[in-house]
Amino acid sequence: EVQLVESGGGLVQPGRSLRLSCAASGFTFDDYAMHWVRQAPGKGLEWVSGISWNSGSIGYADSVKGRFTISRDNAKNSLYLQMNSLRAEDTALYYCAKGRSGYSSEVVYWGQGTLVTVSS
Amino acid sequence: QPVLTQSSSASASLGSSVKLTCTLSSGHSSYIIAWHQQQPGKAPRYLMKLEGSGSYNKGSGVPDRFSGSSSGADRYLTISNLQSEDEADYYCETWDSNTRVFGGGTKLTVL
Repeated sequence: EVQLVESGGGLVQPGRSLRLSCAASGFTFDDYAMHWVRQAPGKGLEWVSGISWNSGSIGYADSVKGRFTISRDNAKNSLYLQMNSLRAEDTALYYCAKGRSGYSSEVVYWGQGTLVTVSS
Repeated sequence: QPVLTQSSSASASLGSSVKLTCTLSSGHSSYIIAWHQQQPGKAPRYLMKLEGSGSYNKGSGVPDRFSGSSSGADRYLTISNLQSEDEADYYCETWDSNTRVFGGGTKLTVL
């Protein structure tokens, strides 16, 4: 059974940093692209960042480019999102998501999310 | 980059059918999309991949009541024999080599 378990969320002041983690199990992690997708309270889904199986393809939404960094450790079956210079508008539930296969394929599985609140 | 447009809300009666629409922006009418369902208070769930030809592939465990179709830049999700558990937000997703986008979502109310 595919499992994606996010962690690392919490309350953080504007301008500070936070690192999210996603522990994956139930599938061969290094065969698949992975993504971070967020959802602000009461709003829709917004893709944040994605990474191919070997980190050769990486992309970011314009709203986070230059502030967030995605990475993965295939030996640890883990996905990460380093978030710097956080803003109030980054407040959201952050989902880890698994692609069907390569970088250009749809999301086929979602984690339960970890909540990030940016506030002073 | 592609843009996906969805109606903000839809409603239909228990046991009836409903057709939700996701429209691709100009120049992107051939793109493949995916449909996702988000029930209240839950994480999204993948429903299906839908091509411009109308061919679709559903995720594991998705009921037969869910189907997809296409016409030009429009991608449809049809839910037949509506059940109370189908009341949810429905999002479409598309992607290219540079980015990935979601539609704004359609809130489906089952009357």
